[in-house]
Amino acid sequence: NAGVTQTPKFQVLKTGQSMTLQCAQDMNHEYMSWYRQDPGMGLRLIHYSVGAGITDQGEVPNGYNVSRSTTEDFPLRLLSAAPSQTSVYFCASSLSRYGGYTFGSGTRLTVV
Amino acid sequence: AQTVTQSQPEMSVQEAETVTLSCTYDTSESDYYLFWYKQPPSRQMILVIRQEAYKQQNATENRFSVNFQKAAKSFSLKISDSQLGDAAMYFCAYRSRGGSQGNLIFGKGTKLSVKP
Repeated sequence: NAGVTQTPKFQVLKTGQSMTLQCAQDMNHEYMSWYRQDPGMGLRLIHYSVGAGITDQGEVPNGYNVSRSTTEDFPLRLLSAAPSQTSVYFCASSLSRYGGYTFGSGTRLTVV
Repeated sequence: AQTVTQSQPEMSVQEAETVTLSCTYDTSESDYYLFWYKQPPSRQMILVIRQEAYKQQNATENRFSVNFQKAAKSFSLKISDSQLGDAAMYFCAYRSRGGSQGNLIFGKGTKLSVKP
């Protein structure tokens, strides 16, 4: 059972480049979220989804897009990378509105 | 909006001793979940323990236990018989049971060091 799989684990981008962080889960979870973690800031919600075809913005959505065409996949797109987007990104999923979330192993992104 | 506060940025404990990490939260809801997550240097987020607000009994998981004070909106984590492997960042998190969002709201974390 793979759980939540994030790729890549590390990435360096140049300012202005775009890229997609991949997230896939094999647990048939309805709820999926993207968080970013910055030193001293905890984890902040970027975007989330409560099911295929349904997404919404979190606390820090600017500069990011998401889509949810299937239950399993929830990619995060950086449209035009900026140094302020240097962070560790976590994808997480939950079966329902009850209980905890399972996290992927994270992606460390550096924008130069 | 709900908020979670961890007032101790760093804590230290001697191996085999007991340490308590503090967490307070603010909410107008009566039904919710509270969690403690552990993040070791590997950066993996690991669920340590969870508490359902409607349950008065404090949750326990082996050496980890919580002191849940609903009226005071306090949710502290006690680690007994601390081990070197307990050294990590610990995050307190809140999740509403109601509504359609159900997202986790995190505190800023407490870095726990364990001295041999």
